[in-house]
Amino acid sequence: DAGITQSPRYKITETGRQVTLMCHQTWSHSYMFWYRQDLGHGLRLIYYSAAADITDKGEVPDGYVVSRSKTENFPLTLESATRSQTSVYFCASSGSWALRGTDTQYFGPGTRLTVL
Amino acid sequence: SQQGEEDPQALSIQEGENATMNCSYKTSINNLQWYRQNSGRGLVHLILIRSNEREKHSGRLRVTLDTSKKSSSLLITASRAADTASYFCATDAGEYGNKLVFGAGTILRVKS
Repeated sequence: DAGITQSPRYKITETGRQVTLMCHQTWSHSYMFWYRQDLGHGLRLIYYSAAADITDKGEVPDGYVVSRSKTENFPLTLESATRSQTSVYFCASSGSWALRGTDTQYFGPGTRLTVL
Repeated sequence: SQQGEEDPQALSIQEGENATMNCSYKTSINNLQWYRQNSGRGLVHLILIRSNEREKHSGRLRVTLDTSKKSSSLLITASRAADTASYFCATDAGEYGNKLVFGAGTILRVKS
């Protein structure tokens, strides 16, 4: 039972490069989320997806792109990485389309991204 | 902007003592959740309390919710060194779509 996985776990890149962070879940959850975690800010939602081919912006979407062609995958792309995007990125999923804000979220282990 | 704000920011106690963390939020909610994060790990769900509930228990955890004050508290009784972690409250802010808004968290250190 793999649950929810993220890759890579650690990534160092340079300013201006494109970077893609992968997220995969095996539960067939409808919802998937990307957060970034920075000291003093807690977790902030970048993008989320309610189902395949349905995505929407969260609190801090600028500089990021997402796609969701398959239910189980939700990649996050930094089109041109900046130093301010150095952070720990967490992917999460939750189950039900029908439940209104009553479902818990299951988190991946995180990706630590450093932009030099 | 954060919906939930935890208090205190950091808490250090001895093993066996109780730990209380508080969370305040700004808008009406359907439910409030508490999560734990061990160092270097992802968040793990602890407990969910709905807006029509006032208190909920799970093992050594007790959560209360006061919707009139827009606040919640998490009590961990008989704390253990393994409880050392960051604790976050999260609210749905009444929005559809299972989105959660997290506070900045309380760092709990339990000394053995």
